[in-house]
Amino acid sequence: SFDLTQPPSVSVSPGQTARITCSGNVLPKQYAYWYQQKPGQSPVLVIYKDDERPSNIPERFSGSSSGTIVTLTITGVQAEDEADYFCQSADPTGFWVFGGGTKLTVL
Amino acid sequence: EVQLVESGGGLVQPGGSLRLSCEVSGLTFSRFWMSWVRQAPGKGLEWVANMNGDGSETHYVDSVKGRFTISRDNANNSLYLQMSNLRPEDTGVYYCAREGGGFDWGQGTPVTVSS
Repeated sequence: SFDLTQPPSVSVSPGQTARITCSGNVLPKQYAYWYQQKPGQSPVLVIYKDDERPSNIPERFSGSSSGTIVTLTITGVQAEDEADYFCQSADPTGFWVFGGGTKLTVL
Repeated sequence: EVQLVESGGGLVQPGGSLRLSCEVSGLTFSRFWMSWVRQAPGKGLEWVANMNGDGSETHYVDSVKGRFTISRDNANNSLYLQMSNLRPEDTGVYYCAREGGGFDWGQGTPVTVSS
């Protein structure tokens, strides 16, 4: 298997830009996915295949990839964006792994 | 709209067994890989197992191999997770998820392994 590493926490003020990173050796070869999870709720997909955004997700959410690091960027953070964020990827055999999660705090 | 509804969670003693179910609607169930993902209280997401569309291929995380079995009934659009020899560290919310361009998630069913 493999590991995906995320910072435990990120804090930003409303209107600022939040960047959450996820690093792993598999990421140059496999797509990354990002999920938002609010307390007591199921995860919600916010970015798929590194940088694609589902149609129901606000445009302020974007994803990027560079080598072994993928980044979730939230431009113009709003209070409602406070949540846990998890990255995800897979090895070619179909075995999935999640990062440890990042708690985004909106100050 | 895709809907996934889990059931079957509950309180079980260490060493006991439990069978989780997931009813899926809003898609052609047999076309998709399906996964189980769990989340211990206050912790992150852990992928547990998955199965391909026709049930011929499965994968498991090492910590559940030999104890958990994933299965599906395509005629009834249902996914299952048979859990045996349960341990306290198996405690958490278990989610059913549809794979394909990211996961679609159910609401989860809680499992507590405790004496």
